[in-house]
Amino acid sequence: EDVEQSLFLSVREGDSSVINCTYTDSSSTYLYWYKQEPGAGLQLLTYIFSNMDMKQDQRLTVLLNKKDKHLSLRIADTQTGDSAIYFCAVVGTTSGTYKYIFGTGTRLKVLA
Amino acid sequence: SAVISQKPSRDICQRGTSLTIQCQVDSQVTMMFWYRQQPGQSLTLIATANQGSEATYESGFVIDKFPISRPNLTFSTLTVSNMSPEDSSIYLCSVEGTGVVSTDTQYFGPGTRLTVL
Repeated sequence: EDVEQSLFLSVREGDSSVINCTYTDSSSTYLYWYKQEPGAGLQLLTYIFSNMDMKQDQRLTVLLNKKDKHLSLRIADTQTGDSAIYFCAVVGTTSGTYKYIFGTGTRLKVLA
Repeated sequence: SAVISQKPSRDICQRGTSLTIQCQVDSQVTMMFWYRQQPGQSLTLIATANQGSEATYESGFVIDKFPISRPNLTFSTLTVSNMSPEDSSIYLCSVEGTGVVSTDTQYFGPGTRLTVL
């Protein structure tokens, strides 16, 4: 299982941010987005059930394209407090066992 | 979801020494996990710790280097033994089965930032 994300994204405050994630295989019932602020652990931000293609949660919109194995997180009206590293996570099979597989992480920088 | 705490939050250690990291959960959980996050990298699973059984280690991690204890359903420790500068990382514990999303969803502690000189 391989989960890829772009490393950096820079946006202006008030703009929308779109963070993308591609994966090679997933038997996951849920797919997740986590947020890591500087010096902190991972906070579960949002998730999407695998039989959905979109989920909206306030400023967050998750899109899932299972055919293309593509997951995205859109943050509307991005604020400076959104500056963090964002990880997607899927549950994949590695050596026959189920494990969380984390993406490489996207560092979002919000410019005032 | 459960409240997860870790001690210490950070430490600076000399090479060749060992550090034990504690993870405490405010509710009983079956599965606890230990991850390593090297600087600028993603998370790598070190081992899975179930209460009452030996921890299961991932490829590249061995019990002699990263001994784990899981004495009850709310607590676990990870020891980083005979440390070298390459062990400088953030170490995170996580639990699953406590939140409203699903029993497979993992929730993370705040992490322990370790620097080895």
